Amino acid sequence: GENVEQHPSTLSVQEGDSAVIKCTYSDSASNYFPWYKQELGKGPQLIIDIRSNVGEKKDQRIAVTLNKTAKHFSLHITETQPEDSAVYFCAATFPYNQGGKLIFGQGTELSVKP
Amino acid sequence: NAGVMQNPRHLVRRRGQEARLRCSPMKGHSHVYWYRQLPEEGLKFMVYLQKENIIDESGMPKERFSAEFPKEGPSILRIQQVVRGDSAAYFCASSPQRAMSTDTQYFGPGTRLTVL
Repeated sequence: GENVEQHPSTLSVQEGDSAVIKCTYSDSASNYFPWYKQELGKGPQLIIDIRSNVGEKKDQRIAVTLNKTAKHFSLHITETQPEDSAVYFCAATFPYNQGGKLIFGQGTELSVKP
Repeated sequence: NAGVMQNPRHLVRRRGQEARLRCSPMKGHSHVYWYRQLPEEGLKFMVYLQKENIIDESGMPKERFSAEFPKEGPSILRIQQVVRGDSAAYFCASSPQRAMSTDTQYFGPGTRLTVL
């Protein structure tokens, strides 16, 4: 079935340190993996995404890596800042679904302490 | 370039009343998705619509919930005879016309429904 597992559920780091959030997905046919940041009382905001034809993508302090063999992808945030504190969700689409509904992980609450 | 718009942002209903949630997709987007986020939980897919068509409603409860996306106007998520368990944040997302499985979905700010 369609399933995305996300770990850890909470993560606390010191400002300037790196943060890593990991997700695994159930179906090897999945081909699109976005990451969203959700601040309190707001909607999810796309921060980075990766498609199955690449293994890594980077945008300034944020990077995502994809291991298709292991069905695993990770979000890496370097030089964390207090404004990075939020809940982060990974997601995957399963190509046999019409239009690509997103299946979300359970979320990681990231706290960056100044 | 306005993003996805949802209204109302907050909605309070008593048990048994009807709730109507509206979503206007980003300009140029003709595909709309609805997701529900229960308190302290992640986002769960409900329904995917194109103009005048429901494409995938596999996440919609069988009773009391319906959705539409008319030729003109916003997409509407309708909940009849609300119960306390319907209290949640409801998010709408839109994607471009290509609607391939790898299209990016952009989310609105959500409607927070409280059922008293």
